[in-house]
Amino acid sequence: GQQVMQIPQYQHVQEGEDFTTYCNSSTTLSNIQWYKQRPGGHPVFLIQLVKSGEVKKQKRLTFQFGEAKKNSSLHITATQTTDVGTYFCAGAYSGAGSYQLTFGKGTKLSVIP
Amino acid sequence: GAGVSQTPSNKVTEKGKYVELRCDPISGHTALYWYRQSLGQGPEFLIYFQGTGAADDSGLPNDRFFAVRPEGSVSTLKIQRTERGDSAVYLCASSATGGSGYTFGSGTRLTVV
Repeated sequence: GQQVMQIPQYQHVQEGEDFTTYCNSSTTLSNIQWYKQRPGGHPVFLIQLVKSGEVKKQKRLTFQFGEAKKNSSLHITATQTTDVGTYFCAGAYSGAGSYQLTFGKGTKLSVIP
Repeated sequence: GAGVSQTPSNKVTEKGKYVELRCDPISGHTALYWYRQSLGQGPEFLIYFQGTGAADDSGLPNDRFFAVRPEGSVSTLKIQRTERGDSAVYLCASSATGGSGYTFGSGTRLTVV
């Protein structure tokens, strides 16, 4: 089946440092979504990217979708302790099953104050 | 309601027993999804409803799993003859339309002993 690879699995940063997580699919995605899950919580929707080469910003968060629509990244500038959690990318593919999302394993972010 | 509501929040059952997990989506959301999340993993797709019908049930692992949404709102995930490997957090999500960002519920933690 379709797989979405996400790296790194863990990232520890000092507060104020930047953080990036990367997501890759072997086949073209129709769109990609990003979610944040706080410890003990449930995934919370952050953003959806649809267009090739798309870049979207939410305050300190920058999301990119690759030109080939096979990879994506999330970059956080100047991390804060409130950024702690696991960040998941989730890809959707065209055709049958196009509304289901294939989640990566997530990147667990720890921020040292 | 204001969010997606899942009950119970925790369920402990003995191997071989039958369980039902309930999901009450956001009012007006036509799309409803069930996912399963094991520790340290991303959510794994189970089934997608558009209205009352199961539009995609390709993620159900076997015929012990079944889900219904008879009136197009509340959904119930039913698991027969539970096995220890069924232990996980079962997440329900809804979205305004198929393919848009999900709102997840807090999940039901199922433990099969």
